[in-house]
Amino acid sequence: KQEVTQIPAALSVPEGENLVLNCSFTDSAIYNLQWFRQDPGKGLTSLLLIQSSQREQTSGRLNASLDKSSGRSTLYIAASQPGDSATYLCAVRSMSGGSYIPTFGRGTSLIVHP
Amino acid sequence: GAGVSQSPSNKVTEKGKDVELRCDPISGHTALYWYRQRLGQGLEFLIYFQGNSAPDKSGLPSDRFSAERTGESVSTLTIQRTQQEDSAVYLCASATGLAPYNEQFFGPGTRLTVL
Repeated sequence: KQEVTQIPAALSVPEGENLVLNCSFTDSAIYNLQWFRQDPGKGLTSLLLIQSSQREQTSGRLNASLDKSSGRSTLYIAASQPGDSATYLCAVRSMSGGSYIPTFGRGTSLIVHP
Repeated sequence: GAGVSQSPSNKVTEKGKDVELRCDPISGHTALYWYRQRLGQGLEFLIYFQGNSAPDKSGLPSDRFSAERTGESVSTLTIQRTQQEDSAVYLCASATGLAPYNEQFFGPGTRLTVL
């Protein structure tokens, strides 16, 4: 059964710092991994989707990498801003997780203070 | 274009009443998912619809929960005889293309409070 862990659970940083959020998964036979952000009281916003054949994806100040063999993905946020404050979730789809049913981590709660 | 929409945004009900939650997916998206997010918890998968195939109901927690979808359009999640433990945010997501490779897009959720 696929298990997804996100570390740290919470992070508070000053504006301008470069950040790394971690997502690890137990079964490396994945189809893809998707990163989301969730603002308080809101739904999830898709940030990046990395298919298993890819090593990384970039969108603006965000870069997500995938290392299947070690069961890890990292989300890199460059030059953080207060507007980046949110909970960041990763979700993995794998055969052991039910193929089309994503397994979600608990998220990393990020606060960027001015 | 328009994203996934859900209604109502908030619902307060009394224990024992039935509730119906609605999800309007992005036009053309063949896949639709329902999730539950309890306070401080991760997302729990509830049910998955793909086109006209039989839905995957493996995540529904009890027979009080049911969901319908008409073709590739609107879906409704019904909870009968609500209990306090049903209080949560119910999220809907839609996707185009074939699972498991498709990208999910989420609605804003319905916050359900059972008194």
